[in-house]
Amino acid sequence: QVQLQESGPGLVKPSQTLSLTCTVSGGSISSGTYYWSWIRQPAGKGLEWIGLIYTSGTTNYNPSLKSRVTISVDTSKNQFSLKLSSVTAADTAVYYCAREGVTMIVSWGQGTLVTVSS
Amino acid sequence: DIQMTQSPSSLSASIGDRVTITCRTSQSISNYLNWYQQKPGKAPKLLIYAVSSLQSGVPSRFSGSGSGTEFTLTISSLQVEDSATYYCQQSDSSPWTFGQGTKVEIK
Repeated sequence: QVQLQESGPGLVKPSQTLSLTCTVSGGSISSGTYYWSWIRQPAGKGLEWIGLIYTSGTTNYNPSLKSRVTISVDTSKNQFSLKLSSVTAADTAVYYCAREGVTMIVSWGQGTLVTVSS
Repeated sequence: DIQMTQSPSSLSASIGDRVTITCRTSQSISNYLNWYQQKPGKAPKLLIYAVSSLQSGVPSRFSGSGSGTEFTLTISSLQVEDSATYYCQQSDSSPWTFGQGTKVEIK
């Protein structure tokens, strides 16, 4: 069974770049028709879809974050990554990596809390 | 963006009750409507996809229905372990968007 695990700094200073990596285990990131995505959830609030990448490198970003987001994939390491630039306190959230099927999010990582604070 | 509005925002029901959560979309969507369950401190879990298809391993007391702009998630007989927050999500039009969540508590 495919499992996903987020990793990266839990504290980022304002105006800096948030960087997270998702490691996929139990299967190849290149197999099947899946997209690899990032979703975030501020404490006590709802879910916000950030964007996704296909292993070909094709990306799709939420327009609300598009100017600051980069999602990349490293198939040799079975990983994909998120970079979010110019962060503010509003970017403080639990960040989830996820595997999407054609029309739904089928698997989620456990989530990692990223706090933006000086 | 397609706006998703869930109702109610929260509910309290007894074990064995039938529970219905509604999700309304700001525009008509195809059948790309999914439901997730999230328990405190945990990642969401897919329950229902494509309006009414039950994800593997999900108890049959969960069901989904609807079309156009109105969709429902029904729990036919509420169990203790169903205490959670439920989210609808559309994947008809990018960016994917979620409802604000419905918190289900046990009386």
